[in-house]
Amino acid sequence: AQTIHQWPVAEIKAVGSPLSLGCTIKGKSSPNLYWYWQATGGTLQQLFYSITVGQVESVVQLNLSASRPKDDQFILSTEKLLLSHSGFYLCAWRGQFNQDTQYFGPGTRLLVL
Amino acid sequence: AQSVTQPDARVTVSEGASLQLRCKYSYFGTPYLFWYVQYPRQGLQLLLKYYPGDPVVQGVNGFEAEFSKSNSSFHLRKASVHWSDWAVYFCAEWTGGYKVVFGSGTRLLVSP
Repeated sequence: AQTIHQWPVAEIKAVGSPLSLGCTIKGKSSPNLYWYWQATGGTLQQLFYSITVGQVESVVQLNLSASRPKDDQFILSTEKLLLSHSGFYLCAWRGQFNQDTQYFGPGTRLLVL
Repeated sequence: AQSVTQPDARVTVSEGASLQLRCKYSYFGTPYLFWYVQYPRQGLQLLLKYYPGDPVVQGVNGFEAEFSKSNSSFHLRKASVHWSDWAVYFCAEWTGGYKVVFGSGTRLLVSP
């Protein structure tokens, strides 16, 4: 069975500080990977997706970046946090077939002060 | 651009009553459609999915949804709501490529 793990569970960070969030998928080779951002009480905004190691596509510009250093790992980061970065970050994976379901991780809650 | 509309931001249902959460999609063709549930402070869990075929789809925990091409809708239903169904429900569609579009979500409140 596939499992998806996100770390950390929650973070409180200062404006202007760096950030790194991680996501690992086990039990699935070559998944398509996604990062979403969710404002409190809001919908999901897709940030990035990756179909293979080393290749990441940006969907929206929010002063964030993403990388895929390994087949099973997806990293979201920024060198300088903004207040608007606060929210809930969700990682998701999907199989290689386009109609496959997306499966979500437990999420990371970020508060920027 | 493709879009998914969930017109009801909040729905309150008495425990044991039936439920319908509405979802409208914009894709002119036949999309792949999904309903997810999000419990407080958790990620999204898949309830059910629709691939072109039988318009009524059965999901987990007694949920079902019906696809209507004529109405561009994919409404979620449950015959008898339980207090544990208190959550936010998201409708989503995939129409190609690597993008999945989510609706704004409907918060379900269950009253005793």
